[in-house]
Amino acid sequence: AQTVTQSQPEMSVQEAETVTLSCTYDTSESDYYLFWYKQPPSRQMILVIRQEAYKQQNATENRFSVNFQKAAKSFSLKISDSQLGDAAMYFCAYRSASKLTFGKGITLSVRP
Amino acid sequence: EPEVTQTPSHQVTQMGQEVILRCVPISNHLYFYWYRQILGQKVEFLVSFYNNEISEKSEIFDDQFSVERPDGSNFTLKIRSTKLEDSAMYFCASSDGAGAKNIQYFGAGTRLSVL
Repeated sequence: AQTVTQSQPEMSVQEAETVTLSCTYDTSESDYYLFWYKQPPSRQMILVIRQEAYKQQNATENRFSVNFQKAAKSFSLKISDSQLGDAAMYFCAYRSASKLTFGKGITLSVRP
Repeated sequence: EPEVTQTPSHQVTQMGQEVILRCVPISNHLYFYWYRQILGQKVEFLVSFYNNEISEKSEIFDDQFSVERPDGSNFTLKIRSTKLEDSAMYFCASSDGAGAKNIQYFGAGTRLSVL
C-alpha cells in the first residue's frame, strides 16, 4: 500500500521569505502523480501544484515549486516570497490510480 | 471557473439518525469521490464512483454508507445510522478522468456533527 509521510506538523515563515515543506512517500508503482493541496481556514482543498513521476523536471507554479527526488521518494514544496495568504494547512498527496492518498498535513503560519 | 458545490456546509444530527450529504460535481466530470477528514487528522478516501457504480471503496466505507447519483447533476453520500465517530468534514471531489494525471477538484466540504 502507498503511504505518504509529512513529519513536520508545523512550520513558520517570515513574510517575503522562502519556506520548504517536506514530504516522503512509499510506493512500488512506477507511474504516479504527486500533489500538494492547500487547506486554508475555510477548509476548502485547493490544488497548489502537481508532479508526474516520469518527468525529471521539477514542477513550478508562480511562487510555488517542488523538489522531486524519485529515487529518494521525496517531494518537497518550496514557497518563495511568502505571503500572509499562504498561511494554511498543506497536504502532500499521492495518486497512481483512482484515489488520492494524503499525508497528515503541515500547518504553515506566516509572520508579518 | 467551474467548481464543486457541497450542501449543507454544516449538518448537525443525533446519533442513530440518517444523513444525506449532497454534492454537485463539475458539469463535464464523470468521476466522483468522497473523502473524510476527522478533526486534526489526515484526509481519508472513502469511495470513488463512475458510471453509476462504485469503482473503489475503502475499509471505512462499510454497510452504513452508500452513494448515489440520483439525477444528472447531484452526487450524494448517505450515512444510514450515524455514530459519534462519523463526526468529520466530508469532501466531495470530481475529475474528468480516472487516471493519475486527472486532477481531482474538491468542494468546500460538509462539516458533520453527530451528537
